[in-house]
Amino acid sequence: KAGVTQTPRYLIKTRGQQVTLSCSPISGHRSVSWYQQTPGQGLQFLFEYFSETQRNKGNFPGRFSGRQFSNSRSEMNVSTLELGDSALYLCASSLDGTIDGYTFGSGTRLTVV
Amino acid sequence: AQSVTQLGSHVSVSEGALVLLRCNYSSSVPPYLFWYVQYPNQGLQLLLKYTTGATLVKGINGFEAEFKKSETSFHLTKPSAHMSDAAEYFCAVNGGSQGNLIFGKGTKLSVKP
Repeated sequence: KAGVTQTPRYLIKTRGQQVTLSCSPISGHRSVSWYQQTPGQGLQFLFEYFSETQRNKGNFPGRFSGRQFSNSRSEMNVSTLELGDSALYLCASSLDGTIDGYTFGSGTRLTVV
Repeated sequence: AQSVTQLGSHVSVSEGALVLLRCNYSSSVPPYLFWYVQYPNQGLQLLLKYTTGATLVKGINGFEAEFKKSETSFHLTKPSAHMSDAAEYFCAVNGGSQGNLIFGKGTKLSVKP
């Protein structure tokens, strides 16, 4: 079966712009979680969506937002980009939101210049 | 609060030698513990997990880990390293009420021929 698909794989944006990243979960999975990975801070939890509702949220500013559609695909948006937003953004899907069922995508590498 | 400490940001072994990657955790709830592997420009792949039951957990590619509650440890081992094991390894623990994963900073494993 198809895995978790993240698009685009690579993205370059300018400071002040906004960006939208997409994550298509494994078919039948209803939960999508997002993580940010940077060399300095490591892997940090952004938020989790389950059946179109944000269920959990990490400690990130309001510039980071997300949503989930009825087909479970999820998008995350970052507004007013800063240089420090440069990171690998990973999404993980699971059937019912349990962390022991996570499958990660290959990530979107965002570079802010 | 939950946290994970991985001792050694970089470990180097010879091909055929024992691999030992150290992970200690702190958790205020019964821990679920995970090891993930990440190859360059890729997402995270689950190696193994401990949720309940047997404390010695076997994973993919010959890796195993032992949950030691008294030592709050979950070290990853492999009897004989292979060149293809060169990657970055992350230990993670459940994030409690947030329903997310808390990751360690990662250990980069190099394998010398």
